[in-house]
Amino acid sequence: QKEVEQNSGPLSVPEGAIASLNCTYSDRVSQSFFWYRQYSGKSPELIMSIYSNGDKEDGRFTAQLNKASQYVSLLIRDSQPSDSATYLCAVRGGFSSNTGKLIFGQGTTLQVKP
Amino acid sequence: DVKVTQSSRYLVKRTGEKVFLECVQDMDHENMFWYRQDPGLGLRLIYFSYDVKMKEKGDIPEGYSVSREKKERFSLILESASTNQTSMYLCASSPPGLAGYNEQFFGPGTRLTVL
Repeated sequence: QKEVEQNSGPLSVPEGAIASLNCTYSDRVSQSFFWYRQYSGKSPELIMSIYSNGDKEDGRFTAQLNKASQYVSLLIRDSQPSDSATYLCAVRGGFSSNTGKLIFGQGTTLQVKP
Repeated sequence: DVKVTQSSRYLVKRTGEKVFLECVQDMDHENMFWYRQDPGLGLRLIYFSYDVKMKEKGDIPEGYSVSREKKERFSLILESASTNQTSMYLCASSPPGLAGYNEQFFGPGTRLTVL
């Protein structure tokens, strides 16, 4: 079992719709959770971080964390063609101490069609 | 804003050459990382460093070494480049775990081609 799992996609949604991206993780004591956006040929860019159960909203983005079920999701409201990218889920395990090591999923490719 | 810079965006080297990839961050971060990214394989951690002169192997350290003589600079060294090291190389930095929540900030990447 992979430590952080994501559906590779592609996930295709029409412009204006809600895109829902999901991620599950295996380490029960994971502390911190991150979503990165990566455009083709570019480096990952941090877009959301979440540390507590529940929802965290930032503009059109909402991150949702459920530690009991070991999943974290990213919702993108009013999806735009410019949101088309690969979204990486990253998790800091509970035993990473202060090294800052993150475990990355393989990423989900999102396509927003005009 | 955190700024992570990498010495080259594109690099072409020949098999057997010694290759240096440089990474510099300006946020006084303790932790620095080197990844490679290949289609279908995702991000793979090569080495990381949590302090000056400290380093730990990641998931795929074979064929690579690193150097961290100053806090802001983390170098990746390919001792004898091979064609299977053709890849996108990404450097990242983050604050220490006890002080922050370990967001990693990435540099722009170096696309290395070994002929």
